[in-house]
Amino acid sequence: DIVMTQSPESLAVSLGERATINCRSSQSVLYSSDNNNYLAWYQQKPGQPPKLIIYWASTRESGVPDRFSGSGSGTDFTLTISSLQAEDVAVYYCQQYYRTPLTFGGGTKVEV
Amino acid sequence: ELQLVESGGGLVQPGGSLRLSCAASGFTVSSNYMTWVRKAPGKGLEWVSVIYSAGNTYYADSVKGRFTISGDSSKNTMYLQMSSLRTDDTAVYYCATNSGGSAYLFFDCWGQGTLVTVSS
Repeated sequence: DIVMTQSPESLAVSLGERATINCRSSQSVLYSSDNNNYLAWYQQKPGQPPKLIIYWASTRESGVPDRFSGSGSGTDFTLTISSLQAEDVAVYYCQQYYRTPLTFGGGTKVEV
Repeated sequence: ELQLVESGGGLVQPGGSLRLSCAASGFTVSSNYMTWVRKAPGKGLEWVSVIYSAGNTYYADSVKGRFTISGDSSKNTMYLQMSSLRTDDTAVYYCATNSGGSAYLFFDCWGQGTLVTVSS
């Protein structure tokens, strides 16, 4: 199984400041035949289902503010919130879809 | 508009069974890859199972042999039959899919979730 490790577990950021979340996979999720990283990011707020924010490691989902960006390749990935807003307080998860079993990182709680 | 609505959660004793339903609207369940993901209290997201449009099914090791995923085209509904339930199966169960009908297993359409509590 591909193990996804996120860091940090929690992060306190001032409004307007940058938040950076890391995700590492135990093996590469870069598929050589299409040169895509099979890595997604989700945001989950209390009492709500997860919301897809990034897929293919760096493609922003429609409607997601451009302060959210994803980067990285192979085994190391980063989700960046360039200027934290109050509504961004949530838990963020990375997920690999390179192969089953699909696996999620442990989550990173972003607070103000 | 694509929508998923789960039902069937509740309180069940250890060793018991429960069937969750995920009713879809705005798309055809049989044409999409559909999945179940759960979130236990105080824990992170855990993938449970997926059913492909061709009917292939896959499971997390933690539920293999106890849970069965299936779909009913006539009702446009996906199911998760859960048996031999354990206390660590307690979680909110979400169904999800890729709204574009993609074969890639990232999910942009989610239900609101249904709570399963396994306790004596």
